[in-house]
Amino acid sequence: AQSVTQLDSQVPVFEEAPVELRCNYSSSVSVYLFWYVQYPNQGLQLLLKYLSGSTLVKGINGFEAEFNKSQTSFHLRKPSVHISDTAEYFCAVFSNQAGTALIFGKGTTLSVSS
Amino acid sequence: EAGVAQSPRYKIIEKRQSVAFWCNPISGHATLYWYQQILGQGPKLLIQFQNNGVVDDSQLPKDRFSAERLKGVDSTLKIQPAKLEDSAVYLCASSLLGRNTEAFFGQGTRLTVV
Repeated sequence: AQSVTQLDSQVPVFEEAPVELRCNYSSSVSVYLFWYVQYPNQGLQLLLKYLSGSTLVKGINGFEAEFNKSQTSFHLRKPSVHISDTAEYFCAVFSNQAGTALIFGKGTTLSVSS
Repeated sequence: EAGVAQSPRYKIIEKRQSVAFWCNPISGHATLYWYQQILGQGPKLLIQFQNNGVVDDSQLPKDRFSAERLKGVDSTLKIQPAKLEDSAVYLCASSLLGRNTEAFFGQGTRLTVV
């Protein structure tokens, strides 16, 4: 069975600092990987996704993530964060196995302060 | 393009009462999901439909939860009777067929059981 582990429940950073939100997954088959963002009282919005090809994926709002198959990781990064990036971030995995659905990690709260 | 519509946005009920949530997916999306998001946790899949058939309902508490998707379009999720631990945000999402497609989420229904 597939699973997703987000290693940090909360990440506080100062504005304009770099940030990395960590995600590890477990699956016995090939996977598709996603990062979603959730702003307060809103639904989830897709930041970026890895399906195949280049392991470095660029998404919206200046975020990027790198797929590392050997380490089964898909960490999210941004070189310089803004106050508006304060939100909940979810890593999710979709395996190539029939009948499986999108499985989410528990989320990481990114708090950006000035 | 219209997004995933959910109603109501908020609902407060007493325990042992019943409640229903409604979801209208994006036009043409064959796959529809219901997720439960308890405060501080990632979304947990309750049920996945493909057209009007159930693909995965393994985590749906079937003694009290039920869901249907009539004519492969709109869907309703019902809880009867509700328990205190059902307090959560219920998210509906839809996607095109295929595991490499993005799931689009509605804004969710926040349920409070008192």
